[in-house]
Amino acid sequence: SAVISQKPSRDICQRGTSLTIQCQVDSQVTMMFWYRQQPGQSLTLIATANQGSEATYESGFVIDKFPISRPNLTFSTLTVSNMSPEDSSIYLCSVAGTSYEQYFGPGTRLTVT
Amino acid sequence: QKEVEQNSGPLSVPEGAIASLNCTYSDRGSQSFFWYRQYSGKSPELIMSIYSNGDKEDGRFTAQLNKASQYVSLLIRDSQPSDSATYLCAVNRDTPLVFGKGTRLSVIA
Repeated sequence: SAVISQKPSRDICQRGTSLTIQCQVDSQVTMMFWYRQQPGQSLTLIATANQGSEATYESGFVIDKFPISRPNLTFSTLTVSNMSPEDSSIYLCSVAGTSYEQYFGPGTRLTVT
Repeated sequence: QKEVEQNSGPLSVPEGAIASLNCTYSDRGSQSFFWYRQYSGKSPELIMSIYSNGDKEDGRFTAQLNKASQYVSLLIRDSQPSDSATYLCAVNRDTPLVFGKGTRLSVIA
């Protein structure tokens, strides 16, 4: 399975600011995903990021709020823009394996004050 | 709309007992089925995958799949307090996976 790292592991941010979360994978992967998990809740898919194409966003998530970059096959970033307390959550990067499974990074715990 | 349903629990079992976790899914074309374990404050960890009808065993874990009934289950034998976690069922026909909301398991020593 792929080894996935995320930076930062946690952050406390002021409302109205932006935070960029980085996801690094130790091998080349075609598909990467960004999820949000609010306290006590299950995973919510934000978008799918394929290298060389625009990210595909799920209903309720827009590019202006959550811009995503995917410059190569081992790296992606998710930016949470113009943050509000409702954006406080754990943000998870995930990659697709060879048999449709997915592997997750350790997550970024974001608190917006 | 693709849906994956799980009982949210908590499911409490005594140490040494068999824990049985269940999951149903709505997309009859689903091909791949997974169980993830998520400890509090940690990210989901893949523990089992199953692709065809029947049982698949890995150590103390057994995954069971019945595509006709659109039903997936996970059995944990000889449950340990360290098995206490939330278990997520995930299903797909295409990527990405569709996750259930998870079942919280508590193993009582």
